Amino acid sequence: GAVVSQHPSRVICKSGTSVKIECRSLDFQATTMFWYRQFPKQSLMLMATSNEGSKATYEQGVEKDKFLINHASLTLSTLTVTSAHPEDSSFYICSAEPGQGAVGELFFGEGSRLTVL
Amino acid sequence: QKEVEQNSGPLSVPEGAIASLNCTYSDRGSQSFFWYRQYSGKSPELIMSIYSNGDKEDGRFTAQLNKASQYVSLLIRDSQPSDSATYLCAVNVYSGGGADGLTFGKGTHLIIQP
Repeated sequence: GAVVSQHPSRVICKSGTSVKIECRSLDFQATTMFWYRQFPKQSLMLMATSNEGSKATYEQGVEKDKFLINHASLTLSTLTVTSAHPEDSSFYICSAEPGQGAVGELFFGEGSRLTVL
Repeated sequence: QKEVEQNSGPLSVPEGAIASLNCTYSDRGSQSFFWYRQYSGKSPELIMSIYSNGDKEDGRFTAQLNKASQYVSLLIRDSQPSDSATYLCAVNVYSGGGADGLTFGKGTHLIIQP
């Protein structure tokens, strides 16, 4: 099946620093990738849609200047959490739709657990 | 506000029995429906997708959809301890069907008792 790889799986950083998370589609090209955030015992919340070669589309309430998304190639999207604060600590998960299955069938990366001290 | 509702559980089922997971959604225009399994500390993985009313079977899993009642369910037959996880219901609320229209429920925590 389709594989989406995410790195790093865990990161701990100090408040005020920036953290970059990478998401790669390993065996397919993804013109669109999706970034989700999940707090403990909560559902997945879509943060933004990453579009190759163009600006990301952010969901309401998500600060685009704080969560920088770059989708420079068909296999790589990055999410940078700038000036991270403890409230940004969460599980960040990227996903992509390979197009081999039905529309809406997402394959997820392993997730990145961010802890901001 | 488009919503997807699930009982958070935990739902406890003895090994070998049938586990029944339920999900309701608010948008009558929803077109596609998905069940994802998420183990603790891991990311979700797709289990089933269903698009038309009725049942869809895949191995031990059966998805059931009733659009009139705005209800989708997942049955797991011959439950195994390895099925213990949180099951997320996801509904596509955009008529275009693109994945950016997916809304996830909070998930049902399923425990299979050996």
